[in-house]
Amino acid sequence: GAVVSQHPSWVICKSGTSVKIECRSLDFQATTMFWYRQFPKQSLMLMATSNEGSKATYEQGVEKDKFLINHASLTLSTLTVTSAHPEDSSFYICSAVLSYEQYFGPGTRLTVT
Amino acid sequence: AQSVTQLDSHVSVSEGTPVLLRCNYSSSYSPSLFWYVQHPNKGLQLLLKYTSAATLVKGINGFEAEFKKSETSFHLTKPSAHMSDAAEYFCVVTRGAGNMLTFGGGTRLMVKP
Repeated sequence: GAVVSQHPSWVICKSGTSVKIECRSLDFQATTMFWYRQFPKQSLMLMATSNEGSKATYEQGVEKDKFLINHASLTLSTLTVTSAHPEDSSFYICSAVLSYEQYFGPGTRLTVT
Repeated sequence: AQSVTQLDSHVSVSEGTPVLLRCNYSSSYSPSLFWYVQHPNKGLQLLLKYTSAATLVKGINGFEAEFKKSETSFHLTKPSAHMSDAAEYFCVVTRGAGNMLTFGGGTRLMVKP
């Protein structure tokens, strides 16, 4: 139980385009999901907290207009990287909360060329 | 504020020898502590967690960790390393009263044949 999926697992996009990453809780409902990014050989940095039915809460230094988060249902949160640039290339990981514990997705590797 | 320090960025052991990954934390209250493992280009898998019950916590794959409040430590150990243990390990502490987490910098465990 408590499985979280992400789609796509990897994506390559051109600079200036937008890309959407989905995070789904497959066998439970989650009112709260989190989005992290991880640079190579580094730790996870929390980007934002996604709450179903309300606006996401962004960590300091994260541009909310660049990283659009939508938590439209209890099983789906999406992260859209708008006008992507090469420096946005990273590993993006989501998690969903069940009984006060976070369950992590497998991650999405984004490469911006 | 809560913080986590993983004292070694890299640890190398021989197969069959003990593993020790060190973690110190600071917290203004009684935290929950976790160890997660991440294999290359994969999401995170929970190894074990401490939530103010027994101070010696047993996890999956033969790992265990001991919560020592006096030393503010939560070191991860395993009696005998296996090649499949080679991965990145993260010590994590809860951040505040909610579900948010703060990640340590990570320790890369290498296992030599």
